[in-house]
Amino acid sequence: GDSVTQTEGQVTVSESKSLIINCTYSTTSIAYPNLFWYVRYPGEGLQLLLKVITAGQKGSSRGFEATYNKETTSFHLQKASVQESDSAVYYCALGAYYGNEKITFGAGTKLTIKP
Amino acid sequence: DPKIIQKPKYLVAVTGSEKILICEQYLGHNAMYWYRQSAKKPLEFMFSYSYQKLMDNQTASSRFQPQSSKKNHLDLQITALKPDDSATYFCASSQTRDRGEDTQYFGPGTRLLVL
Repeated sequence: GDSVTQTEGQVTVSESKSLIINCTYSTTSIAYPNLFWYVRYPGEGLQLLLKVITAGQKGSSRGFEATYNKETTSFHLQKASVQESDSAVYYCALGAYYGNEKITFGAGTKLTIKP
Repeated sequence: DPKIIQKPKYLVAVTGSEKILICEQYLGHNAMYWYRQSAKKPLEFMFSYSYQKLMDNQTASSRFQPQSSKKNHLDLQITALKPDDSATYFCASSQTRDRGEDTQYFGPGTRLLVL
């Protein structure tokens, strides 16, 4: 089957510090998975933050970056300098080669930014 | 304006009753999905529809029945409700097109509480 692991359920970072949220994935059925980071801000719905569909490529959005590493099956989310407005729950996810199939989500990491 | 509408936002039901969760998308997409997130669990895929036809069902129980009356509607009927059905239900949609252009977009969710 498919699975996505986010090891940290909650992360607290001081404003202007750097951030890394770890994500690893496993799939037995998808040769070339698409990888995603979704974000849910307080009181809002789930939004796509970034996606990468090719191994070795990097995706970026709103100052966040993630690199699709097929060797380590990882897709860690990083940001050089966080802001209070980045406080949200971040979900790493894996999808099939063609997008109109199920997406498998990680458990989510709640990010709190200390002012 | 919201592009994916889910109604109601909150729903309280009694055990054994039946409810319908509404989803409408105004993105012009031809594929729609339902996901569920129970407390302390990742989002889980339930169903996918393409051109109003069921493509994938990973819900074990027949108590959950999607209903697609129009191309941009995918409602979810839940019968014989149980407390374990308490969760936030997310609708999503995507366009069947070239790889990389088929991102799934999510609605704000309906939070269901079964007493």
